Amino acid sequence: AQSVTQLGSHVSVSEGALVLLRCNYSSSVPPYLFWYVQYPNQGLQLLLKYTTGATLVKGINGFEAEFKKSETSFHLTKPSAHMSDAAEYFCAVSDRGTGGFKTIFGAGTRLFVKA
Amino acid sequence: NAGVTQTPKFRVLKTGQSMTLLCAQDMNHEYMYWYRQDPGMGLRLIHYSVGEGTTAKGEVPDGYNVSRLKKQNFLLGLESAAPSQTSVYFCASSVGRPTGNTEAFFGQGTRLTVV
Repeated sequence: AQSVTQLGSHVSVSEGALVLLRCNYSSSVPPYLFWYVQYPNQGLQLLLKYTTGATLVKGINGFEAEFKKSETSFHLTKPSAHMSDAAEYFCAVSDRGTGGFKTIFGAGTRLFVKA
Repeated sequence: NAGVTQTPKFRVLKTGQSMTLLCAQDMNHEYMYWYRQDPGMGLRLIHYSVGEGTTAKGEVPDGYNVSRLKKQNFLLGLESAAPSQTSVYFCASSVGRPTGNTEAFFGQGTRLTVV
């Protein structure tokens, strides 16, 4: 069965520091991978996605992620954290089920940014 | 620009009561999904639909039923609510091409408490 594992339920960084949120997946080939962000009391919104082609994907708000097939990873990074980045982040994989494609989410990583 | 709209936003039910959550999307998306979000468990797929008149089970379908009579609407029903169904429920939709590489658009969520 397809799955998504996010390492670390909570990550804390200082403002200006590197952000690294880890995601590993298992999926049939080809995988379609996504990162979503959820701000308090809101729904999820797409940060970036990998479908095919370039393995380094750039998203909104300065985030990027690199698809590494050999490591089955899709880690999310941002060079310099901002206070407004504090939110919960979800990695997801698109999986073909008996009823068609469905999106499976990881458990989420809450990012705290310290002043 | 309504996108995905969920009603109601909050609800308190007594054990054994029934209710229906409504999801409406105005983007002409084929795929629609119902997730529940619980602390430390991320989003778990309850049911989904790949088109009008079709539904399929997700990861945690027990205790829920769904219907997709119209393309724009996806209803989630609880026939006999239990405290274990206390959660935040999210509806989402996507274009749903056969390749599965499309993002999901989320509603604002419904916070349900069963006492």
